[in-house]
Amino acid sequence: DAGVTQSPTHLIKTRGQQVTLRCSPKSGHDTVSWYQQALGQGPQFIFQYYEEEERQRGNFPDRFSGHQFPNYSSELNVNALLLGDSALYLCASSLGGLGSNQPQHFGDGTRLSIL
Amino acid sequence: KNQVEQSPQSLIILEGKNCTLQCNYTVSPFSNLRWYKQDTGRGPVSLTIMTFSENTKSNGRYTATLDADTKQSSLHITASQLSDSASYICVGSVSGGYNKLIFGAGTRLAVHP
Repeated sequence: DAGVTQSPTHLIKTRGQQVTLRCSPKSGHDTVSWYQQALGQGPQFIFQYYEEEERQRGNFPDRFSGHQFPNYSSELNVNALLLGDSALYLCASSLGGLGSNQPQHFGDGTRLSIL
Repeated sequence: KNQVEQSPQSLIILEGKNCTLQCNYTVSPFSNLRWYKQDTGRGPVSLTIMTFSENTKSNGRYTATLDADTKQSSLHITASQLSDSASYICVGSVSGGYNKLIFGAGTRLAVHP
């Protein structure tokens, strides 16, 4: 039973570029949430996708966008990269939206470095 | 403002000792309180989830408590092991159509032999 998988594991970009991160949820899960985790900090909620729609969004600019596909996998896109976007990007999956008390299962993240 | 504060920021203990991590939360409307363990370079792993009606929940050597009146939670680790070295993150869930999770900054625990 595969857990949450994210790709790539590491990525280096330069300022102004665009990046796409990918996430496959745990088998049987239909909800995907994305988080940004700066070094030494807790994860910050970016947004949540359920039934292929963005359902909740944290305090992130429009440069951060996403998509959920019919197979429940998801992408996070970040445009016009800034140095401050350097972080670990975590994907978490769950069942039935965050309205349930079900635990989220996290992937091991994509480490994004902006030069 | 919804927020979660954890203390201490970091902690060093000897193998076999017990420890307690603290969490104060301001989350409204409140849905549940979660504790996660995050090993270095890995994603967080869920330890416990408690609703307002639950005041204690255990997962092996980990026991979480919740006081909904004072909005405090604690995570007690019994007979610590080297593998317990990690960050422990307290998370408050805001109730709504699609709940939102508010993460604390975590407590970094180091267990030394």
